Amino acid sequence: NAGVTQTPKFRILKIGQSMTLQCTQDMNHNYMYWYRQDPGMGLKLIYYSVGAGITDKGEVPNGYNVSRSTTEDFPLRLELAAPSQTSVYFCASRSGLAGLYEQYFGPGTRLTVT
Amino acid sequence: GESVGLHLPTLSVQEGDNSIINCAYSNSASDYFIWYKQESGKGPQFIIDIRSNMDKRQGQRVTVLLNKTVKHLSLQIAATQPGDSAVYFCAEKGGYQKVTFGIGTKLQVIP
Repeated sequence: NAGVTQTPKFRILKIGQSMTLQCTQDMNHNYMYWYRQDPGMGLKLIYYSVGAGITDKGEVPNGYNVSRSTTEDFPLRLELAAPSQTSVYFCASRSGLAGLYEQYFGPGTRLTVT
Repeated sequence: GESVGLHLPTLSVQEGDNSIINCAYSNSASDYFIWYKQESGKGPQFIIDIRSNMDKRQGQRVTVLLNKTVKHLSLQIAATQPGDSAVYFCAEKGGYQKVTFGIGTKLQVIP
């Protein structure tokens, strides 16, 4: 299993540009998450999904959108990039089985908005 | 511990010594806790977890202790190795999909 994969690894955007961060998992996990990690800060939840077709906002959803058309994929969309969105973005998944809360993380996407 | 500005708390340990990393959690209703390890440039990786009905759990070279009275969690790493150098952070599950991650502690292993 490849686990959770993310593309791209790095990206530089200009203010106002758009982009999609890709996330795929091959573990047949129901639950998927997007986090951002800023220097010296804990992971902040942006959006999550409990299954295909179901998404919900996390702690910091403004400026982002997600979709979940398949179990495997959970892309994160930035419509109008702002410098405040400069961060490292992590996608994660977990099985959803009762009592199992361990999340498996991807390697991250480092985004800079200038 | 809490960070000040952009600086993570750092723990420097001699190779072979034991390491103890602490975490204060915020929600007395949290029922599940996880420790993650994050190496530079990588995503967090699960180390060990513990439920609120336990006060100690052991894994391979790692032990997690939970003190619910003072809302404190600790991770003990035995015989610390250079490969243990990373940022370690705890996470608490306080409700449906409500997982809160701590800021983290940087562990530096001195060869």
